Amino acid sequence: DVKVTQSSRYLVKRTGEKVFLECVQDMDHENMFWYRQDPGLGLRLIYFSYDVKMKEKGDIPEGYSVSREKKERFSLILESASTNQTSMYLCASRESAGTDTQYFGPGTRLTVL
Amino acid sequence: GENVEQHPSTLSVQEGDSAVIKCTYSDSASNYFPWYKQELGKRPQLIIDIRSNVGEKKDQRIAVTLNKTAKHFSLHITETQPEDSAVYFCAASRNTGFQKLVFGTGTRLLVSP
Repeated sequence: DVKVTQSSRYLVKRTGEKVFLECVQDMDHENMFWYRQDPGLGLRLIYFSYDVKMKEKGDIPEGYSVSREKKERFSLILESASTNQTSMYLCASRESAGTDTQYFGPGTRLTVL
Repeated sequence: GENVEQHPSTLSVQEGDSAVIKCTYSDSASNYFPWYKQELGKRPQLIIDIRSNVGEKKDQRIAVTLNKTAKHFSLHITETQPEDSAVYFCAASRNTGFQKLVFGTGTRLLVSP
């Protein structure tokens, strides 16, 4: 059974702080994704990684960066958090580009004050 | 790039009724169309998907239909039950390149007993 975990369910930070969101998967998946989920906007792709140390911008990368030093871990970094980054952040993984199913983590609800 | 529109944004039905959620996509090269279900406070999970070489696919009470010419696809749930209450997301992707999913904005389905 695929397991995708995220470091925090809830996080409260102040404007200007550097924020790290961690995601870990235990199924040796090659591909990992970060989405943000906002009411009425669905799931929007921030960044993705198709393998270790590889990263690509998604549809809304501004204000974010990522790191993938190990295959199982994909980190999302908010260099200087702003109030408009208050959102639900979902991590997902997929076996490889040739497979279909994305497995999601439980999400981190981030509030930036 | 791909754009996926989803309607309605909310749908209320009585238990036992059928529910239909519709999505349209813009990229004629898209050929993979999954549906994810997200129960309240939980992670999105894949419930059914379809590829463009198939017009319809069924799995018990749920079915997905695809009209490539019109570029739209629909989720059909028959004999709805209260546990079907959730937010449903459609998505689309190409079968080339990295195969990123582009999600619709979601439909909140409420099934009343």
